[in-house]
Amino acid sequence: AIQMTQSPSSLSASVGDRVTITCRASQGIRNDLGWYQQKPGKAPNLLIYAASSLQSGVPSRFSGSGSGTDFTLTISSLQPEDFATYYCLQDYNYPRTFGQGTKVEIK
Amino acid sequence: EVQLVESGGGLVKPGGSLRLSCAASGFTFSNYGMNWVRQAPGKGLEWVSSISDSSSYIYYADSVKGRFTISRDNAKNSLYLQMNSLRAEDTAVYYCARDLGPYLGLDYWGQGTLVTVSS
Repeated sequence: AIQMTQSPSSLSASVGDRVTITCRASQGIRNDLGWYQQKPGKAPNLLIYAASSLQSGVPSRFSGSGSGTDFTLTISSLQPEDFATYYCLQDYNYPRTFGQGTKVEIK
Repeated sequence: EVQLVESGGGLVKPGGSLRLSCAASGFTFSNYGMNWVRQAPGKGLEWVSSISDSSSYIYYADSVKGRFTISRDNAKNSLYLQMNSLRAEDTAVYYCARDLGPYLGLDYWGQGTLVTVSS
């Protein structure tokens, strides 16, 4: 199975900060990667698909980049509603695998 | 409006069985693959199983292979997960999620149903 290593596991940031989260695949997965946001007690929400495509309705401050093994989720200017946990998911092959998650907390 | 509503969770003893359901509405269910994803209390997300639109392709995580069975009834717009030989480590919130296909992501999720495996 492909392992997805996400970093950092948590971070503290202030409103307005630029935040970057990375995900590394144990083998090349082309651009078959999505990013999800999850708030406590809620289901995950798709933010980015195909590594860099913004899902409909998602604010443009979210962006994704990368291909092959290294991927990045960037929040250009952190907003209060962005404090949440973020996960990457590879859908290059089965079994699909999630990263361990990155909890974004208020500084 | 797309809606996915899970049901069937509850408390079950180790070794027991449970069948989860996911009722879909607001879209043509038979056109989409579907997934089950779970989350143990305080832990991250774990993909469990996928089924293609016509049930031709089915996949499982190694952790549930041989114990869980995914299925669907397109006439009833419903997805199922039959869980047998349950273990304490299967305790989790189980989500169903719509699959847009390779690299396109899981775009709609249900609210989840809690399965607790305990004696």
